[in-house]
Amino acid sequence: DVKVTQSSRYLVKRTGEKVFLECVQDMDHENMFWYRQDPGLGLRLIYFSYDVKMKEKGDIPEGYSVSREKKERFSLILESASTNQTSMYLCASGSEKLFFGSGTQLSVL
Amino acid sequence: SQQGEEDPQALSIQEGENATMNCSYKTSINNLQWYRQNSGRGLVHLILIRSNEREKHSGRLRVTLDTSKKSSSLLITASQAADTASYFCASPGGRSNDYKLSFGAGTTVTVRA
Repeated sequence: DVKVTQSSRYLVKRTGEKVFLECVQDMDHENMFWYRQDPGLGLRLIYFSYDVKMKEKGDIPEGYSVSREKKERFSLILESASTNQTSMYLCASGSEKLFFGSGTQLSVL
Repeated sequence: SQQGEEDPQALSIQEGENATMNCSYKTSINNLQWYRQNSGRGLVHLILIRSNEREKHSGRLRVTLDTSKKSSSLLITASQAADTASYFCASPGGRSNDYKLSFGAGTTVTVRA
């Protein structure tokens, strides 16, 4: 079974903290993606990576950075978490068709 | 930026009934996809229809695509309680190597027993 694994299901962090969200896929996909999902807004693309060490900004990259040191792992970093980054974060991998992780519900207090 | 918009936002039906939801998109596409999301979970790919196809079936799902109207519809026949979920349409950019999918806000379907 193909798998995209996100390291945490729920996270609670304080304003100003540095936050790491990890994602691992076992399908040898070149492309990996980070989306955030908010009620009424659907999914919005934060960053995407099409190869190791390569990244491209999505629609809402402000306040986020990413790291892709190995093909299977794609990390999302919130340099200084803010309350407006409270959201569901979804990692995906694939080419035409995407496979999603179960999501990380992040609360920033 | 959001490419697709689903309609209606929410739908409540009796078990056994059919559910239809629509998606409109803005720019030309090479394919359109539908995904399902169960409450609080990740999305699962349901079906992909290419721009040169008009209709596609997968089990109880039927998808149509009208590129002249920039719209697609997803029909779920003989609904079951397990179909309760949110459904999203998604499409990539027009370039063949653009794999960034843009999603709509989704249609929430509730199937009543």
